[in-house]
Amino acid sequence: EPEVTQTPSHQVTQMGQEVILRCVPISNHLYFYWYRQILGQKVEFLVSFYNNEISEKSEIFDDQFSVERPDGSNFTLKIRSTKLEDSAMYFCASRPSTGLYGYTFGSGTRLTVV
Amino acid sequence: GESVGLHLPTLSVQEGDNSIINCAYSNSASDYFIWYKQESGKGPQFIIDIRSNMDKRQGQRVTVLLNKTVKHLSLQIAATQPGDSAVYFCAEGGSYIPTFGRGTSLIVHP
Repeated sequence: EPEVTQTPSHQVTQMGQEVILRCVPISNHLYFYWYRQILGQKVEFLVSFYNNEISEKSEIFDDQFSVERPDGSNFTLKIRSTKLEDSAMYFCASRPSTGLYGYTFGSGTRLTVV
Repeated sequence: GESVGLHLPTLSVQEGDNSIINCAYSNSASDYFIWYKQESGKGPQFIIDIRSNMDKRQGQRVTVLLNKTVKHLSLQIAATQPGDSAVYFCAEGGSYIPTFGRGTSLIVHP
C-alpha cells in the first residue's frame, strides 16, 4: 500500500537553529499538507500546498515557517529559527485530486527543541 | 470559533466488548466527517467517513452514526480487539482540510 514517508523520525535541535523536515508524498497525489501535534493535544493544520504554491495556511504558520517542493518527489517544511514551543510531532499528508478519501498521513517527525 | 470536540478523553473496554466513541461538532454547515485512528508513534489513519446526507455508515467492524439535529457523531467498534487500542479522532473535512478534535484514547483490556 502506498505510504507517505517522513524523515527523520526524530530531530533534536537547539533553540534558534533552522530545521528542515522532509516528506515524500504518495507519487500520484496532488495536494500536500503539514500538520503538527503537540504532545497530548490535537492534530493542528499548518499549511496546504497545491500546484507549487501554498493554498491555505493557519495562524500557526507564521513567517518562521516555509514549505517547498524542491523536486518531483520531496515536500519540505522549514522552521527558520526554532523555539521551544515548536517541539511537537509534525505530520505530512497528501491526497489525490478526488477528495479526502485517500488522504494519507505519514508517521511523523518528532521535533524536540532544547 | 468552530470546533470539533470529544466527550471523553479515555475509554477502557474489555476485549470482545463493543466500543462507542462520541464526538460533538459545532459547525452546523459541516457536511463531511471522518474518523481517524492514531496508534502510538504513528500518523492518523483513516477509518471511515460519512457525509451529512447520511445517518449511518458501516465498515468492517466499525459503524459511524451521525445525528445532525444535535450535531453529534459516534464511532462504534464491534468486538473490540487489543489491536484497536489507539487514540481516535473525529474530524470535520468539508474543506478538504480535516479539522481534528482532541481525541479519545481507547484502551482494550485482554
